[in-house]
Amino acid sequence: GQSLEQPSEVTAVEGAIVQINCTYQTSGFYGLSWYQQHDGGAPTFLSYNALDGLEETGRFSSFLSRSDSYGYLLLQELQMKDSASYFCAVRDRASKIIFGSGTRLSIRP
Amino acid sequence: DAGVTQSPTHLIKTRGQQVTLRCSPISGHKSVSWYQQVLGQGPQFIFQYYEKEERGRGNFPDRFSARQFPNYSSELNVNALLLGDSALYLCASSPGQGAYNEQFFGPGTRLTVL
Repeated sequence: GQSLEQPSEVTAVEGAIVQINCTYQTSGFYGLSWYQQHDGGAPTFLSYNALDGLEETGRFSSFLSRSDSYGYLLLQELQMKDSASYFCAVRDRASKIIFGSGTRLSIRP
Repeated sequence: DAGVTQSPTHLIKTRGQQVTLRCSPISGHKSVSWYQQVLGQGPQFIFQYYEKEERGRGNFPDRFSARQFPNYSSELNVNALLLGDSALYLCASSPGQGAYNEQFFGPGTRLTVL
């Protein structure tokens, strides 16, 4: 079957760095995306990786290793506003877009 | 610029009824995707439409259907509603069809089936 696995919850301290991992098993692969969703809000796009390596956008970075079917989202200099759910997503060869179940990030002062 | 808009915001239906949800994409975006999100879970892909044609379909029963209009707006129809259809229905638009296209989500329609 097709699946994306990510931790259900992560807790970190304000100002610290946190890494959210995602492993995927899909029929075909057309890039790994990351989305942020605050409670009661809509998902917002954070990053997209089609090739192996690290993509950096401000405090957020995303990494992909296609050979390991693995990626991660790295959040630096954590702020309280970063408390949210984070989802990885993959598009498969049938053009289905598959989201992980989400990682709830809680940040402590 | 206006973002993705969806209507209605909330909807209450009873089992067996039919519902139509509407989505207007960002101006210039030709792709619209529909998702179902149950509380505590990730969005589940239902459909993607691009240039008025279905380009992807998730694992949902035939009770779910959609279409895209010439102005790229879209409707999602659900027939014979079940209690399990209660969820947040999200619409997302993107400029193109490819996976590299960032998806912009609307605020969603909260459907409650009694």
